[in-house]
Amino acid sequence: GAVVSQHPSWVICKSGTSVKIECRSLDFQATTMFWYRQFPKQSLMLMATSNEGSKATYEQGVEKDKFLINHASLTLSTLTVTSAHPEDSSFYICSAQQGSGAEAFFGQGTRLTVV
Amino acid sequence: GESVGLHLPTLSVQEGDNSIINCAYSNSASDYFIWYKQESGKGPQFIIDIRSNMDKRQGQRVTVLLNKTVKHLSLQIAATQPGDSAVYFCAYNFNKFYFGSGTKLNVKP
Repeated sequence: GAVVSQHPSWVICKSGTSVKIECRSLDFQATTMFWYRQFPKQSLMLMATSNEGSKATYEQGVEKDKFLINHASLTLSTLTVTSAHPEDSSFYICSAQQGSGAEAFFGQGTRLTVV
Repeated sequence: GESVGLHLPTLSVQEGDNSIINCAYSNSASDYFIWYKQESGKGPQFIIDIRSNMDKRQGQRVTVLLNKTVKHLSLQIAATQPGDSAVYFCAYNFNKFYFGSGTKLNVKP
């Protein structure tokens, strides 16, 4: 299957700082990318959907000013957690889709720990 | 919003037995469904998919059944192996991909 690379795989940051997570589709053009958040022993919660060249669509309850999403090209989307706090510590996962109705391929996830 | 459950249920099976994992979805307009396997600390891994114009699809050792009437999806794993131990999620597509609540599968040797 297609490859989606997510970087970094883990990051530890100080409270109040910002962290950027990258999601790249390596061998296909992703018209849509999704960002999820996963707490331990829980399901993946969709945070936002981003389409290349347009503003991301955030799910209800997700602060768009805190979780900045940029989808500047068909192969790259970034999620920036701004002014991170310990409660933002979580596993963040991206997925990329080549066209509506197509399979979504997932990155390996990023473990964020805010101390 | 879409139904996404919390607190994973656990299914324990003996090695060699068949496993059946279930998923309920809430959006009747969903037309594409995928089962994913997630191992600890990793991203979801594609297992099998099915579109809404089908009610059954088979892969290698896995079968997915779709019942659109009751909005229910199941994953059957034949001859379950220790390597199948993981958390299994269904995902359903309606403009976006939403995940079901997930089931943790424990395979006992």
